[in-house]
Amino acid sequence: ETGVTQSPTHLIKTRGQQVTLRCSSQSGHNTVSWYQQALGQGPQFIFQYYREEENGRGNFPPRFSGLQFPNYSSELNVNALELDDSALYLCASSHWDVPSYEQYFGPGTRLTVT
Amino acid sequence: AQKVTQAQTEISVVEKEDVTLDCVYETRDTTYYLFWYKQPPSGELVFLIRRNSFDEQNEISGRYSWNFQKSTSSFNFTITASQVVDSAVYFCALSEARGNEKLTFGTGTRLTIIP
Repeated sequence: ETGVTQSPTHLIKTRGQQVTLRCSSQSGHNTVSWYQQALGQGPQFIFQYYREEENGRGNFPPRFSGLQFPNYSSELNVNALELDDSALYLCASSHWDVPSYEQYFGPGTRLTVT
Repeated sequence: AQKVTQAQTEISVVEKEDVTLDCVYETRDTTYYLFWYKQPPSGELVFLIRRNSFDEQNEISGRYSWNFQKSTSSFNFTITASQVVDSAVYFCALSEARGNEKLTFGTGTRLTIIP
């Protein structure tokens, strides 16, 4: 069983740039959630995708957007990067239709905005 | 609105001591799920336990045990006979309804086990 994978591992961007982070869900999972974890804080929910549509969103501005593909993998796009976007971005997958209710997390992408 | 509070920011104990991590939650839902995750220095969140709001039975898994009390809105986590490998940041989290939707995390407790 393949776990959740994320790429890249680390990324350095300049303020104002755009970034795309990628996530491959665990085998058999059809739901992907994204979280932002600032240094010393708990993860904050960005949004969730199910059946290629956004299925819930946290308190993040529209410059945070996402996609889910037919193979259930997902992308997180952030436009007009700000210094406060520097964080660990975590992807989690789960199966919407299976009552296991567990979200399995990937290793994360650490984004630094300078 | 949901909220999870982990009042203990950092805890240090000597190896083999027992340690309890506190978690207090707020929710207006009657159906919800509580979780504990472990985050080692590598950064990946490791699932430890899930408990739904209708099951107040305490649970023990090896050296780990969990005490869920709806009356005090608490879901505390105890490690017995701690080991150096237990050193990590531990997060308590809450999810409403289905349980596989949005997770609301606490700010975490950094646990250091001193050899």
